[in-house]
Formats: sequence, C-alpha cells, structure tokens
Amino acid sequence: GQQLNQSPQSMFIQEGEDVSMNCTSSSIFNTWLWYKQDPGEGPVLLIALYKAGELTSNGRLTAQFGITRKDSFLNISASIPSDVGIYFCAGQRWEYGNKLVFGAGTILRVKS
Amino acid sequence: DVKVTQSSRYLVKRTGEKVFLECVQDMDHENMFWYRQDPGLGLRLIYFSYDVKMKEKGDIPEGYSVSREKKERFSLILESASTNQTSMYLCASSPGTSGYEQYFGPGTRLTVT
Repeated sequence: GQQLNQSPQSMFIQEGEDVSMNCTSSSIFNTWLWYKQDPGEGPVLLIALYKAGELTSNGRLTAQFGITRKDSFLNISASIPSDVGIYFCAGQRWEYGNKLVFGAGTILRVKS
Repeated sequence: DVKVTQSSRYLVKRTGEKVFLECVQDMDHENMFWYRQDPGLGLRLIYFSYDVKMKEKGDIPEGYSVSREKKERFSLILESASTNQTSMYLCASSPGTSGYEQYFGPGTRLTVT
C-alpha cells in the first residue's frame, strides 16, 4: 500500500537539543497523526491534526499540519533521554475511509 | 483514557497450530484493526472491522482470518501457523467518522517454531 515519506530515517540526539522530523506525500490528507513507539511496545498517539495550517502542542512536542495538506512536521524541544524511540507519522484520506497510511518511522537515538 | 488490551504479550507456537490473538477495547469504538510489524516493512494492515460481524481485508490477509462477535472484541486467527508468521502483532481501535485516530494495544510478539 501507499506509504508516507518520512525523514530523516534516523537521527542521534544529545540531551537538550531540539529535534525536527517531517512526513510528506504527493497526495492530500485530511488528518495527520504522530505516534511514538518504544521497543517491544505498541505505538502511542502523541498528536492529532485535523485542519490545514493547524499547529498543536503536547508538552515539549509541537506538530503542524502543512498548509498544502501534503505534509506534516513534528518538533521536540529540549530533548531528554526518554525521547528515544521510533516516531511514526500517519495520515487519513477520504478515499481510504477509516484506514490510515503510515510512514516508515524516524528512529531517535542518544548520541554517546 | 482509551485502553486497548491484547491477550498475550509473548506467544510461542508450533508450525501448523491454530493460533488465536484476542484484542479488547473499552471506548465503544466502531473500528478495530489488526496489523503486523516487521523490521524494514513497517506496519502492514491484515484485517479491519467497522462494525460487529463486519470485516474487510487489508493489505496482507492471506493465512489469517478474523472474528468480531462483540463490539469491544476483535480476534485474529492464524488457521495453520507458519514460520513466516513470526512477527509483532498490533491491534488498534478508532472511533470512526467522529475521529480517525487509532489507539494501539501493547502488541503480541508471536514466534512460530
């Protein structure tokens, strides 16, 4: 099935740094979602976005629904060690009904 | 808080066995989903259900079946387990037309030997 283009694939963080990742598509989406998955666990919903241009925060996390409806961005400010994990974007389009399309994930690791 | 629970965190089965994975959600959600997750392949949809007794095939339904007899419960069945079905299985639920965000369970790590 269709996948979203998520970048970067992986990145190293140092405590205190800000982190940015994004998700793009050639198609328009109506809902954008961001999830975090810890090793051996299920993904946890971080932020849900419903309108083009919407900017939503959840603690140190901020996500934006791109104005073209073809992309979304997630920023983590002042990263801490427990931010490591895999971050997934997901999108919903009318053509797919209740199904979501997922990105491949961005792996966040700690810089040693 | 939405809660999605899965019957087992870890499961080891033998080739040819019939395997049942159970999922329960407590938020009266319309939709429920089964995914498998493999390294490098991401999340792949096996089956989903949009109502009791209703189901639709996802991207990789071969070798699997599902059952939804009650709104809160969605079961994944491996009719005859094979080694290539060793994977992490994730269940999710979503409200439906009032919201498309999916809430995931903790996952079941299935090993078929």
